[in-house]
Amino acid sequence: GAGVSQSPSNKVTEKGKDVELRCDPISGHTALYWYRQSLGQGLEFLIYFQGNSAPDKSGLPSDRFSAERTGGSVSTLTIQRTQQEDSAVYLCASSLEVVETQYFGPGTRLLVL
Amino acid sequence: SQQGEEDPQALSIQEGENATMNCSYKTSINNLQWYRQNSGRGLVHLILIRSNEREKHSGRLRVTLDTSKKSSSLLITASRAADTASYFCAAPRRGKIIFGKGTRLHILP
Repeated sequence: GAGVSQSPSNKVTEKGKDVELRCDPISGHTALYWYRQSLGQGLEFLIYFQGNSAPDKSGLPSDRFSAERTGGSVSTLTIQRTQQEDSAVYLCASSLEVVETQYFGPGTRLLVL
Repeated sequence: SQQGEEDPQALSIQEGENATMNCSYKTSINNLQWYRQNSGRGLVHLILIRSNEREKHSGRLRVTLDTSKKSSSLLITASRAADTASYFCAAPRRGKIIFGKGTRLHILP
């Protein structure tokens, strides 16, 4: 079956602009996670959604970052007024249940000029 | 703070040799997961070991878990060039899965 997909694959934007990153999880997976990975670094947790529960936003680095998950499926990560330090690969993962095996998308590479 | 921390940060071995990577974590867990990442993009799940398991195998991979020491190890036997990648352990913490910074494994021809 289809895996996790993310779009766009690459995004170049100017400092101060808003960007939207999309994640399509595996159908039926109740948990969805967003991570950020800077060059050569580990994964930084951003936010996760589990079913209809309130999302855990504890990893979002600032109020410029927000995410939503519509209908328990597709998720969008929005970064407002982008800064150069936002440049990174943004990874999305989904799992059948929270804290179980995660299936990752290919990521969106964001470059803020 | 890191829930999972891998050791060493980097490892270079000759093709055919075994590679061992270690992971330490801080809080109690119900499972620990290992992932591989090629070329800085999506991660691929390797093995999930539950807290009541001590050892698990998958092909050339062997994972051990010692909950008393809060540590895990990943052994790759008979390494191949294709095993060159970054390897991450990940441990749940309050619903989140926290990743370490990874071990960069390089297999030399």
